[in-house]
Amino acid sequence: EPEVTQTPSHQVTQMGQEVILRCVPISNHLYFYWYRQILGQKVEFLVSFYNNEISEKSEIFDDQFSVERPDGSNFTLKIRSTKLEDSAMYFCASSVLRLYEQYFGPGTRLTVT
Amino acid sequence: AQSVAQPEDQVNVAEGNPLTVKCTYSVSGNPYLFWYVQYPNRGLQFLLKYITGDNLVKGSYGFEAEFNKSQTSFHLKKPSALVSDSALYFCAVRDPSQTGANNLFFGTGTRLTVIP
Repeated sequence: EPEVTQTPSHQVTQMGQEVILRCVPISNHLYFYWYRQILGQKVEFLVSFYNNEISEKSEIFDDQFSVERPDGSNFTLKIRSTKLEDSAMYFCASSVLRLYEQYFGPGTRLTVT
Repeated sequence: AQSVAQPEDQVNVAEGNPLTVKCTYSVSGNPYLFWYVQYPNRGLQFLLKYITGDNLVKGSYGFEAEFNKSQTSFHLKKPSALVSDSALYFCAVRDPSQTGANNLFFGTGTRLTVIP
């Protein structure tokens, strides 16, 4: 069964550093998403991406964040200058079409020290 | 604005007994509703969804959920709980009437523990 994959599983970085989180969505899916889950809190939407552009973003997704689909398979989330409060589990998801169910990857745990 | 409430942080049930995990929602249009399950150190796994049609929807692993428009609820149920059902369950909603509303709004999650 096809699934969303994410790398790395755990990333430790120092405050102010740039990080790139990588995702490989399910191959025939057209919509891609990033969510985050701060420890003990609910899953929060960050951004959705379709046809090589952002289709929607939340208030959390400020200028420090960017997304890219650099090739036909990868989907990346970049945080330019990490802050302590960026420490969270970051989930990538994909869906066939806009309103269909989303399939989530296993997550990348980002720890900012 | 969309929102989801899961009123119980923790639900304990004995193995073999029926289980219910509660969810209520608030949207301005007709909701798309979803249940996801999260096992330790794993991502969110899709269980089931309600878009339209029958109020009772069936999903993976024997789970089902009932959409109740008058009570704005979408409770997750299973007739006979298994120890392996122990996990964190998230209810999520999307309001398709919102332009560009691709994202899911999640509840805070309910931890289900099935006691052998």
